[in-house]
Amino acid sequence: DTGVSQDPRHKITKRGQNVTFRCDPISEHNRLYWYRQTLGQGPEFLTYFQNEAQLEKSRLLSDRFSAERPKGSFSTLEIQRTEQGDSAMYLCASSPLAHTDTQYFGPGTRLTVL
Amino acid sequence: EDQVTQSPEALRLQEGESSSLNCSYTVSGLRGLFWYRQDPGKGPEFLFTLYSAGEEKEKERLKATLTKKESFLHITAPKPEDSATYLCAVQAGDDKIIFGKGTRLHILP
Repeated sequence: DTGVSQDPRHKITKRGQNVTFRCDPISEHNRLYWYRQTLGQGPEFLTYFQNEAQLEKSRLLSDRFSAERPKGSFSTLEIQRTEQGDSAMYLCASSPLAHTDTQYFGPGTRLTVL
Repeated sequence: EDQVTQSPEALRLQEGESSSLNCSYTVSGLRGLFWYRQDPGKGPEFLFTLYSAGEEKEKERLKATLTKKESFLHITAPKPEDSATYLCAVQAGDDKIIFGKGTRLHILP
């Protein structure tokens, strides 16, 4: 068990470009969550999957954001036409279905939009 | 609306000086209250889950307690390596986890 991994760890992009992040959860964890964290704030829920099904999306997730978990294993989060306000740490977490109250977080992807 | 408020925002202590961090919450149908530790540039690290009022959990120099409206994270004789941001979060009936803004703790040697 190597924990939750995220790639890349850092991404710098220009406004208007598209970016994609990847999250590999702990193996056999059914649930996968995406959060966004800005400086001085706690993580804010974006969306979550149970296996390959996306069960809930936050109002924070505008139509420029899309997330997938095609085979119920890794997940991707894509942001289209990035804006400076998208600059944040994007965190992924996973949990087993039997214990959804315990979420294990990855190291995050730091996005900077210039 | 479900809400989590942490205080203080920041706390500076001398090594060995014990103190407590507060987390007050309003949530419908509390399923669990969590404490996480977050170091700069890293993801949150799970510490504790508390489920019902009166419950307490301990880990090394940390002890978490829960009442019907708030939770405390007590830090006994802290060391500089305890310096971090401590996040409180609650899980409501819809499974979503709502985080507070955190308390930045700095332990001076």
